[in-house]
Amino acid sequence: AQKVTQAQTEISVVEKEDVTLDCVYETRDTTYYLFWYKQPPSGELVFLIRRNSFDEQNEISGRYSWNFQKSTSSFNFTITASQVVDSAVYFCALSETTSGTYKYIFGTGTRLKVLA
Amino acid sequence: EADIYQTPRYLVIGTGKKITLECSQTMGHDKMYWYQQDPGMELHLIHYSYGVNSTEKGDLSSESTVSRIRTEHFPLTLESARPSHTSQYLCASRFGTASALGANVLTFGAGSRLTVL
Repeated sequence: AQKVTQAQTEISVVEKEDVTLDCVYETRDTTYYLFWYKQPPSGELVFLIRRNSFDEQNEISGRYSWNFQKSTSSFNFTITASQVVDSAVYFCALSETTSGTYKYIFGTGTRLKVLA
Repeated sequence: EADIYQTPRYLVIGTGKKITLECSQTMGHDKMYWYQQDPGMELHLIHYSYGVNSTEKGDLSSESTVSRIRTEHFPLTLESARPSHTSQYLCASRFGTASALGANVLTFGAGSRLTVL
């Protein structure tokens, strides 16, 4: 069965600290996509990154970096030198391609609070 | 500027009223989705559509209904609102095949926060 687990419900850090948000997924497909979305207090979900199952290369975008490891079925997200504006709920999601249903499985989200 | 629009953003309504949450997108996406987000943050898929005249129920049973008469429009209707319907409703859309670059990225609207008294 497909599943996305974000074990950290809430994390609080002090500004400028680094923080890693964990995401573990389960799927039977060999081809799938993983995503991270950010939901600020305003409510909309903002797309951050997409990674397909054949691309295990880590990615860095400014203060954001993502570590995809198929061996552990994990797709973790690290924010370096966190800022108050990073405070939001972050969702990890999985989309499979072979089932044809075009559904997305979201994790339960991790609420990040960055304190000044 | 948003390419997917939801109205109203906030709605407070009494029990028994009929409500329609509007969702429109200008990207020509064929697939559209409605998610219900509870206060605990979890997102639940309640409806989705693969194209015009195609609608399916999602993983979470919902008393709401949807329609897809035009590609760009995917409204959600509650015939008789109840306090248990109080929630945030998020609309999303995407292009068809997953293979094209960025094609399977969901674009979300800003959400409609419904409160039923």
